[in-house]
Amino acid sequence: DSGVTQTPKHLITATGQRVTLRCSPRSGDLSVYWYQQSLDQGLQFLIQYYNGEERAKGNILERFSAQQFPDLHSELNLSSLELGDSALYFCASSGGLSGYNEQFFGPGTRLTVL
Amino acid sequence: SQKIEQNSEALNIQEGKTATLTCNYTNYSPAYLQWYRQDPGRGPVFLLLIRENEKEKRKERLKVTFDTTLKQSLFHITASQPADSATYLCAPDTDSNYQLIWGAGTKLIIKP
Repeated sequence: DSGVTQTPKHLITATGQRVTLRCSPRSGDLSVYWYQQSLDQGLQFLIQYYNGEERAKGNILERFSAQQFPDLHSELNLSSLELGDSALYFCASSGGLSGYNEQFFGPGTRLTVL
Repeated sequence: SQKIEQNSEALNIQEGKTATLTCNYTNYSPAYLQWYRQDPGRGPVFLLLIRENEKEKRKERLKVTFDTTLKQSLFHITASQPADSATYLCAPDTDSNYQLIWGAGTKLIIKP
């Protein structure tokens, strides 16, 4: 158990809809990362927050947005969903700001867009 | 642009042998590199971190090397076991140092 929790575990929705994925980092970790992993694909970095502020952006679509709240939990919002958005979405946390710190991954949210 | 390459084909190794996985990077020089293990449907799990000034790092049956001349990191599992079967990801840092670049991973299969 990494100490990172993600909800829900599974999400099935239709094209055009909007969903929110939630992540609670390990106790004390200030950095939260969001990743997308499509079937048999590598991890695609989406976005990083550190202590409530956006720190780095990867290949995140404009239809996607995220935020980190004062209690350090984070949410990833996906809107106008398309079939291609079906994937595993992972949240990871680390203690520091830089990529030097090991990342602890949650169990993921499997999103299926029909 | 910064690029990471890992063996795209699955690596089949006989139990008890040493498995060696390769991670090549181009167009930049990372300051450190991390290796993770990922099982199907689960999040990656951190294994080892190696800095550019470290030639080799060990942890139990795991060994990682970092060759800045060849622009390559090798990940070794000695005395491999079927339980070592998983996908292994390498993740060097980027120029920005705020995030990692993730390789596509190499699927390792250890046959009994």
